[in-house]
Amino acid sequence: AQSVTQLGSHVSVSEGALVLLRCNYSSSVPPYLFWYVQYPNQGLQLLLKYTSAATLVKGINGFEAEFKKSETSFHLTKPSAHMSDAAEYFCAVSSMNTGFQKLVFGTGTRLLVSP
Amino acid sequence: GAVVSQHPSRVICKSGTSVKIECRSLDFQATTMFWYRQFPKQSLMLMATSNEGSKATYEQGVEKDKFLINHASLTLSTLTVTSAHPEDSSFYICSARENRGTGDTQYFGPGTRLTVL
Repeated sequence: AQSVTQLGSHVSVSEGALVLLRCNYSSSVPPYLFWYVQYPNQGLQLLLKYTSAATLVKGINGFEAEFKKSETSFHLTKPSAHMSDAAEYFCAVSSMNTGFQKLVFGTGTRLLVSP
Repeated sequence: GAVVSQHPSRVICKSGTSVKIECRSLDFQATTMFWYRQFPKQSLMLMATSNEGSKATYEQGVEKDKFLINHASLTLSTLTVTSAHPEDSSFYICSARENRGTGDTQYFGPGTRLTVL
C-alpha cells in the first residue's frame, strides 16, 4: 500500500521568504510523486511530478521538488514566496504497478503568505 | 493543453432530487476518469474510477446505487447523485488520465459544489 504524509497542516511565510512544504511517502514499489495546488473553491492544478527520471524536478510558478529515496521524501520548495502562492498544496503518490489507477493524496498543507 | 471542465460549478437542490455532474476532457482523450469528494478543509477522497465503455469501479464504502457513474465517450463522464440528502453536500472533483504517453498524470476539473437543502 502507498501513503503520503504531509507534515504541517499550515505553513506561514513572509513574502519573499523561502517556501518549504514537506512530503514523505511510503511505497513498496518505485513511486511516481506529484504536487498539486488548490486555490479556494477550485480544482487541483498540477505543479510538478517525479516519474523516475531526474530527481530534481522543476515545475510551474518557480516551484521545484527533489526526490530523495534514502529519506523517502519529496519536499516542495520555492526560493521566494509571492502573495499569489497562498493556497492549499497536496502531495500525492501513484505507481506503474497499479496502472496509475490510484492516486493517494496527503492531507494537504495550507500556505499562508504575509506581506 | 490537458484541460478538464466540470458542469455545473455550483448546484443547490432539494432533498430527494437527483443531480447530474458532467466531467469533460477538452483537448485529450481519457479512457479513465476519476471522481473524488472533498470535505471542507480535508483532502480528496477517491469515490470511483470511471472507465469508458464499462462499469465504474467504486471504492469501499461508496454506494454505487447512490452515485451513478456513466462514461459514455472518451471525453465525457457523468456522476449522478440520486435521491440527494443534506449529508451528500460536498465538493465533487473529477480528474482525467490522458491516454497519450505514459498516462501517468491526472488532470483535474475545477470542481462542483453541491448543496442539498
